[in-house]
Parts: sequence; C-alpha cells; structure tokens
Amino acid sequence: SQQGEEDPQALSIQEGENATMNCSYKTSINNLQWYRQNSGRGLVHLILIRSNEREKHSGRLRVTLDTSKKSSSLLITASRAADTASYFCATDVGGNNRLAFGKGNQVVVIP
Amino acid sequence: GAGVSQSPSNKVTEKGKDVELRCDPISGHTALYWYRQSLGQGLEFLIYFQGNSAPDKSGLPSDRFSAERTGGSVSTLTIQRTQQEDSAVYLCASNHGVGQPQHFGDGTRLSIL
Repeated sequence: SQQGEEDPQALSIQEGENATMNCSYKTSINNLQWYRQNSGRGLVHLILIRSNEREKHSGRLRVTLDTSKKSSSLLITASRAADTASYFCATDVGGNNRLAFGKGNQVVVIP
Repeated sequence: GAGVSQSPSNKVTEKGKDVELRCDPISGHTALYWYRQSLGQGLEFLIYFQGNSAPDKSGLPSDRFSAERTGGSVSTLTIQRTQQEDSAVYLCASNHGVGQPQHFGDGTRLSIL
C-alpha cells in the first residue's frame, strides 16, 4: 500500500521565498526520507529522519516529523532557481529499507 | 565508480521483445534496489537484493519480470515479452543496508512501441 503521500500541489514561488510541502503516511515507520528529482534524472537523497526524531536540519532544508499525526513537512528556506525539482517523501516501513514513495510535489522557483 | 550507473539510458523496443536493463551500484554497497517510475503509478518498488540473502521479489508485477545480481555487484533486470504498459523509467539504487539513504542512478527510460 502507498505509504508516503505528499499534498498533491505544485508550488510556484519567487526566488528567495520559502517553500513548504507536506507528507502523510498510514502506518508506523522506522524512518522517513525526502528525495529531490530533477527532470530526467534519478532521485537525490536530501534528509533522513528517524521515527524518534522530531526535527532535522540540513543547510537550507528543515524537516519535521509528527508520528502522532503520521505526517512530515519539508521546508526549503531562501529558495533558489536551482531548487526547481520534484520532491518526494518515502517511508521505510518494514525495516528492510524497501521504500514506499509518495507521488511527489513539483516546485518551480522563478528567478 | 562515483555513483550508480545504469545502462542503457534509453531503450525503445517493439511489443513482445525481451529487454535487459543493467545497474552498476556504488562499490561496496551491499544492498541494491530496482524501482519503476511511471506517470500513472508513481514510484513503485520492484525488487531488493541484500548481500547473499534471497532477494525480496515481492514488488515484481508479473512473472515476465526477473532480476539477478551477480557477484554481489552488477544487477540485470529482465523483462520478457514486453507489453506497452511496461513503458516507464526503471531506476536502480544502492546503499549500505537497512536504515541508510539510497543512492539512485539516472534510470533507463523504456518505451514499448
């Protein structure tokens, strides 16, 4: 069954603005991961947050995890044109690292 | 190599033909995964190899799909008697195992005519 599911919205923002996208899932998880995909390329890992963590930062990225609500958010601060991509959340449910991906959020940053 | 390498990058073939897709994982990574990405279905797990253990084949959509990993390194995904619904991007990933981020190749874009 589909685990990670992002809000099905495409974001179009101006460079310098912040972008927030959300992800919900259905069952207990070991960890939740966010990936970025540029057009025609593979996925690039951004952040992994474990089920016992609530917030994690990496550069301009901030991820939160609320296990009681089974949801996560990814915030990109001070966006750049190079942040234009699709962003996917993925959950590791069974502890075997088999990931279940959401449908992705397309973000367009206008220079 | 520095990253996961997949070949070919694009493959166009006629319905009914067999195809082989290749994945070279990052050296030293014990785990290797195949996913399929299509417009209608998003990213779907296909198969997972971990070391010398029996692979997790639970995501393979039909018995026309098979995969092997030789010598714990290179993997080949084979699709027999291709159908138009097999058209998708096939992505390979590798990592050091459970709980670690996965590193993806750029995929093979498969088009079945």
